[in-house]
Amino acid sequence: KAGVTQTPRYLIKTRGQQVTLSCSPISGHRSVSWYQQTPGQGLQFLFEYFSETQRNKGNFPGRFSGRQFSNSRSEMNVSTLELGDSALYLCASSWGGGEYEQYFGPGTRLTVT
Amino acid sequence: DAKTTQPPSMDCAEGRAANLPCNHSTISGNEYVYWYRQIHSQGPQYIIHGLKNNETNEMASLIITEDRKSSTLILPHATLRDTAVYYCIAREINAGNMLTFGGGTRLMVKP
Repeated sequence: KAGVTQTPRYLIKTRGQQVTLSCSPISGHRSVSWYQQTPGQGLQFLFEYFSETQRNKGNFPGRFSGRQFSNSRSEMNVSTLELGDSALYLCASSWGGGEYEQYFGPGTRLTVT
Repeated sequence: DAKTTQPPSMDCAEGRAANLPCNHSTISGNEYVYWYRQIHSQGPQYIIHGLKNNETNEMASLIITEDRKSSTLILPHATLRDTAVYYCIAREINAGNMLTFGGGTRLMVKP
């Protein structure tokens, strides 16, 4: 069974630009969550989508947004990029509720210059 | 979710058992204990989870104390490939899939 895939794997953007990252969950999984990992803040939860609805949201500014499609694939968007947005962005998928484990993708490494 | 406390780092000799402790003294009755690990620059990998009974799978064993205030992850025969940061997370069953990661334990397996 294919794992969680994320595209692109690496990305370089300039401050002020916007970026869209994509995540394809494991087949059959309906929940997709996004995390940001930086050396200073560690792994931080961004948001979770379940059946195309945002179910949970972390403490990030409105520049960070996401959506989920009917096939459970998800995208996250960051507008007006700042240098501090440079991070590894991880996507995780799960069958559904909190009793299930999450499976993480390899991440997208975003560098903002 | 309950706060968890882990030692920042541990060493283990290759082939020996690695016992990673986690304190979750404020855990509530409907919170599971989850363990994930992250090998450098890769996405976190699920290891095991449990509610109150001890659990074992092909990767590890999870021992939860009777009062559920602490747990231990056991890697029975550590290899160099087990070198990673291990995260213990307490998560409420009905709280969706938001994982709150702490600092974790950096396990170094040495030959």
